[in-house]
Amino acid sequence: GAVVSQHPSRVICKSGTSVKIECRSLDFQATTMFWYRQFPKQSLMLMATSNEGSKATYEQGVEKDKFLINHASLTLSTLTVTSAHPEDSSFYICSALNRRQGTKNIQYFGAGTRLSVL
Amino acid sequence: AQKITQTQPGMFVQEKEAVTLDCTYDTSDQSYGLFWYKQPSSGEMIFLIYQGSYDEQNATEGRYSLNFQKARKSANLVISASQLGDSAMYFCAMREGYTGTALIFGKGTTLSVSS
Repeated sequence: GAVVSQHPSRVICKSGTSVKIECRSLDFQATTMFWYRQFPKQSLMLMATSNEGSKATYEQGVEKDKFLINHASLTLSTLTVTSAHPEDSSFYICSALNRRQGTKNIQYFGAGTRLSVL
Repeated sequence: AQKITQTQPGMFVQEKEAVTLDCTYDTSDQSYGLFWYKQPSSGEMIFLIYQGSYDEQNATEGRYSLNFQKARKSANLVISASQLGDSAMYFCAMREGYTGTALIFGKGTTLSVSS
């Protein structure tokens, strides 16, 4: 399958700092990437849809000024958690849509980032 | 109403046995896609299998097969010959409409394989 790299895998930061998470599609171009959040033992909740070259579309209840998403190229999307607080501690995972013919438009996921805000 | 329902919070199976993980879905779209992902304790989401709404045959990928019953709106995952490494959380997901939309996930089923 296609490879999506997500970095960092784990980050611990102090309250009030900002954290940037990168999501890269390594062997395909991804015009669309998605950012999800997952609480322990729960399902994935969509935060936002990121399209290359345009503003991200955020789900209801997700603060766009808090979770800044940039999709500047066909292989890279970033999520920046600004002024992080303990309640932002969670598992964040991205996916990239592989639109190549024959790939059935599968979404491939990164390995996730575990954020802990002290 | 939930779009994706996985009614089994946990399933237990012995090595080499087959196991079926249930998934039902709800959509009014004619075009949709159904997916199964595996999430080990490490957290990564591993794509397993895909079924399109217009696919007439059930999808198969190695030891994984998808039992697609369109009229009943079910898309059960069958894992044949379970292995210890199959122990993980399994999520059923649906993509409604056109291909650019995000996935809607079920709550997941934890599968435990014992020797």
